Amino acid sequence: GENVEQHPSTLSVQEGDSAVIKCTYSDSASNYFPWYKQELGKGPQLIIDIRSNVGEKKDQRIAVTLNKTAKHFSLHITETQPEDSAVYFCAARNYGQNFVFGPGTRLSVLP
Amino acid sequence: DTAVSQTPKYLVTQMGNDKSIKCEQNLGHDTMYWYKQDSKKFLKIMFSYNNKELIINETVPNRFSPKSPDKAHLNLHINSLELGDSAVYFCASSQGPTSGIEQFFGPGTRLTVL
Repeated sequence: GENVEQHPSTLSVQEGDSAVIKCTYSDSASNYFPWYKQELGKGPQLIIDIRSNVGEKKDQRIAVTLNKTAKHFSLHITETQPEDSAVYFCAARNYGQNFVFGPGTRLSVLP
Repeated sequence: DTAVSQTPKYLVTQMGNDKSIKCEQNLGHDTMYWYKQDSKKFLKIMFSYNNKELIINETVPNRFSPKSPDKAHLNLHINSLELGDSAVYFCASSQGPTSGIEQFFGPGTRLTVL
């Protein structure tokens, strides 16, 4: 089955700096890769996703890149703000299969 | 309007008791899920229902029994609660069970078994 690894487990950055979180997956058939943000006491919320036929996707300060050959994908947050502080999860999914989530990255943006 | 709602938000109970968590979505989605998030924040799927039919049942003790009375509701009943059941349980829904479909999560139910 699919296995998703995520690094780092914790990340602290200064406000205004960039943050990068990396994930690797094991199942080459996986074709959908979402990123979720979980704030304290809340459920995960989708912030960006990418499908296997695309190499990069950007939405304002957030971007995701996908390298299918190497089976890894990354989340990039630029100009970080204190409200970006949260736990971020990557996930991978193949058609008809369940989502497999990475273990999460706790991002702290220091003012 | 809350898209995916769960009740209760907090549940504290004694070992051996039976409890239920309710989930409702008003998004018109066909597929609903239950996830368990442990103390290390690891999210793992437990069940998935599509149009009231069970389509995913991960390795979960049979003390856990999901019930979907209609497409908008997926409840989780837990018998003979154990200490290890303490976790946050999230309900989620999506338009369908196929890949590339966003999942919408509820706010979670924090279950504490004493």
